[in-house]
Amino acid sequence: EVQLVESGGGLVQPGRSLKLSCAASGFTFSNYYMAWVRQAPKKGLEWVATISTSGSRTYYPDSVKGRFTISRDNAKSSLYLQMNSLKSEDTATYYCARQGSYAHAYFDYWGQGVMVTVSS
Amino acid sequence: DIQMTQSPSSLPASLGERVTISCRASQGISNNLNWYQQKPDGTIKPLIYYTSNLQSGVPSRFSGSGSGTDYSLTISSLEPEDFAMYYCQQDASFPRTFGGGTKLELK
Repeated sequence: EVQLVESGGGLVQPGRSLKLSCAASGFTFSNYYMAWVRQAPKKGLEWVATISTSGSRTYYPDSVKGRFTISRDNAKSSLYLQMNSLKSEDTATYYCARQGSYAHAYFDYWGQGVMVTVSS
Repeated sequence: DIQMTQSPSSLPASLGERVTISCRASQGISNNLNWYQQKPDGTIKPLIYYTSNLQSGVPSRFSGSGSGTDYSLTISSLEPEDFAMYYCQQDASFPRTFGGGTKLELK
């Protein structure tokens, strides 16, 4: 059974940093692109980052580019999101997601999400 | 960036009813359109990928169609567990973008 379990969320002050983790199991982690998607309170879904199987390619929207870094450790079947210079608008539930395939890049498995609150 | 516009944002419906949710892209996305369901507890699962492909385990009452810039999700006969939020998403290009969501609620 595929499982994605996020951790590392919490309350952080504006301008500070936080690192999220996602532990994957039930599949060969190194074979899949992975992503982070977030959802601000009472808002819709927003894609945050995608990383290739080896980690050599990463993709971000302008809203987080230069502040967030996605990475992975295939030996540990783990995905990470380093978030720097956090802003109040980064307050959201962050979901770890697996990309189904290279040909069809939809998100076929999602974690339960972890809450990040940016506030002084 | 490709903007995704979903309609309606809210859809009151009854059990057994057939409903359709629409999604329009700001430019052609060559059928690279996916649909997700989100339950009130936050759980998200894929329903349809590449316009019309049913994700494994998803009931056949769900179907997707469309082309170019216009896509739709149809539920043929609503069951109690279908009342949830629905999002479309394009993966034709980066940045990946989602529609604003449709809340399917019991009339």
